[in-house]
Amino acid sequence: AQKITQTQPGMFVQEKEAVTLDCTYDTSDPSYGLFWYKQPSSGEMIFLIYQGSYDQQNATEGRYSLNFQKARKSANLVISASQLGDSAMYFCAMRSPGGGTSYGKLTFGQGTILTVHP
Amino acid sequence: GAVVSQHPSWVICKSGTSVKIECRSLDFQATTMFWYRQFPKQSLMLMATSNEGSKATYEQGVEKDKFLINHASLTLSTLTVTSAHPEDSSFYICSPRGGYTFGSGTRLTVV
Repeated sequence: AQKITQTQPGMFVQEKEAVTLDCTYDTSDPSYGLFWYKQPSSGEMIFLIYQGSYDQQNATEGRYSLNFQKARKSANLVISASQLGDSAMYFCAMRSPGGGTSYGKLTFGQGTILTVHP
Repeated sequence: GAVVSQHPSWVICKSGTSVKIECRSLDFQATTMFWYRQFPKQSLMLMATSNEGSKATYEQGVEKDKFLINHASLTLSTLTVTSAHPEDSSFYICSPRGGYTFGSGTRLTVV
């Protein structure tokens, strides 16, 4: 079974500073995908960044980067130069491996509420 | 690409009535659609998986007779909450295979 753990219920950061949101995972599958999403108060799920288990380099997307440490089974999200609009809930998720109808199923962490202060 | 349109965005219904939620894939064919439920201040939990042309598969603890899922075409998957009760009040959101896109979600309130 797959498990995702986010141990930070809430995080605070000053505008323009960087912040790291923690995520650890557990799986016995050698092939998996890790996602980070932003969920503002409207409820929509916004895809931020993806890391494949076989990717050699850490994923980056603009101000978002994923600190992937495979041996430690961690996939922390780093947001650089925080903006007020970054205030939201953030979820880490793992995608089930390929093959069969369960491919694409996501298992989510508990989420972290990020608040950016001016 | 991969746009999913979900309707309605929010709905209030009386206890005992049924509510249908639709997810349409606008620019691609979705053979599989995952339906998630999110209670306030909680994470998303997979409820069921709909597959075009075959029966849906439900996660443990989800009543298949209460949450009817239909995937009649490659562009439409529906979730019907039957005989809704206040404890069914939640945020329901769909997502096709892949994990990169979601519907906009439906906030259901049962009174």
